[in-house]
Amino acid sequence: NAGVTQTPKFQVLKTGQSMTLQCAQDMNHNSMYWYRQDPGMGLRLIYYSASEGTTDKGEVPNGYNVSRLNKREFSLRLESAAPSQTSVYFCASSWDPSPLHFGNGTRLTVT
Amino acid sequence: TQLLEQSPQFLSIQEGENLTVYCNSSSVFSSLQWYRQEPGEGPVLLVTVVTGGEVKKLKRLTFQFGDARKDSSLHITAAQPGDTGLYLCAGRDSNYQLIWGAGTKLIIKP
Repeated sequence: NAGVTQTPKFQVLKTGQSMTLQCAQDMNHNSMYWYRQDPGMGLRLIYYSASEGTTDKGEVPNGYNVSRLNKREFSLRLESAAPSQTSVYFCASSWDPSPLHFGNGTRLTVT
Repeated sequence: TQLLEQSPQFLSIQEGENLTVYCNSSSVFSSLQWYRQEPGEGPVLLVTVVTGGEVKKLKRLTFQFGDARKDSSLHITAAQPGDTGLYLCAGRDSNYQLIWGAGTKLIIKP
């Protein structure tokens, strides 16, 4: 049972480069989330999707875009990476308002 | 802006000691979740508390939700090295949004 799968696990980008973080869940959950985690700041919500076809901004959406491709997949895109986007990114899913199931994260460094 | 303050931010103790981690807010939550995160992994749910005054036990871990549903605590008895990790609390507000604490990094030394 895979749960929530994130790819890639690690990525190094140069300032201005773009990339897409992929996330897929196999639990038939309706809601999916993208968080970033920085030391001492806990988890901050970037975007979420309450159902297929809908997306909403979270606490820190600037510099990011998302796509809910289907019920299983929710991708996060950085169009022009900046050093401030160096972080660990987590995807999660749930049957709202049940607790979240998290992937193992993507560690992104922007130089 | 709703805040969920966790304390302490960092705790390093010897195996066998007891400890308590706190999660406090001025807001009322419909439920509160506790997660543990190990290095290189995502957070994993430990427990959800829903009713004011509720106490839940998970082996040596005891979770309590405050009577007013504004705070919660996690008590670990006889801590073991396997308890090492980042402990996160998250409260569900009236809009069903999850409000996260910044976490308590716990190290248990053998």
